[in-house]
Amino acid sequence: GAGVSQSPSNKVTEKGKDVELRCDPISGHTALYWYRQSLGQGLEFLIYFQGNSAPDKSGLPSDRFSAERTGGSVSTLTIQRTQQEDSAVYLCASRSSRATNYGYTFGSGTRLTVV
Amino acid sequence: AQSVAQPEDQVNVAEGNPLTVKCTYSVSGNPYLFWYVQYPNRGLQFLLKYITGDNLVKGSYGFEAEFNKSQTSFHLKKPSALVSDSALYFCAVFKAAGNKLTFGGGTRVLVKP
Repeated sequence: GAGVSQSPSNKVTEKGKDVELRCDPISGHTALYWYRQSLGQGLEFLIYFQGNSAPDKSGLPSDRFSAERTGGSVSTLTIQRTQQEDSAVYLCASRSSRATNYGYTFGSGTRLTVV
Repeated sequence: AQSVAQPEDQVNVAEGNPLTVKCTYSVSGNPYLFWYVQYPNRGLQFLLKYITGDNLVKGSYGFEAEFNKSQTSFHLKKPSALVSDSALYFCAVFKAAGNKLTFGGGTRVLVKP
């Protein structure tokens, strides 16, 4: 597509439930990133996918968080047994593999509220 | 480890006045530097980048940034601010080893009419 698409745009869930957040990157972008933005805070790196390589999971805050990327395209971030501190905006970004292009294109994010 | 610092949580400026948003970086080797803007309830939008070449980089919406290697800074500037420039601004550095952007904490800009 023309841009990075994330769904849902908003998600309210009860504490303890599992949630899945979806990211559809720009077609042809081999790199895909997930970041978390807590209220009024900066961006916290979560996970990075590059082609068929093993993902860089170094930013995942706990084992309740996981992500997968199927077929090198769509990615799903899953949060199990959600906690109130998981409430944040989850941003996905993709990047071209061209050597001179290091910047990301971001989606509009999913605002997750855990009640 | 690479890092980016935005020393100001918020910048207030009157419409029509110059706007500066500060950013300093700490990275070994050549830095690849970026500015992004986030409008309310929106994702981050790319403003400009410095990879190599001229130290003064021009970007979207009339913004520019100056790369200063000796001061390890990459301040964002706009000669005449608009109310519509009110947003959250992020500076970021990309390091090839690790293949990801590291962001500063963000600076909220409020332009008053």
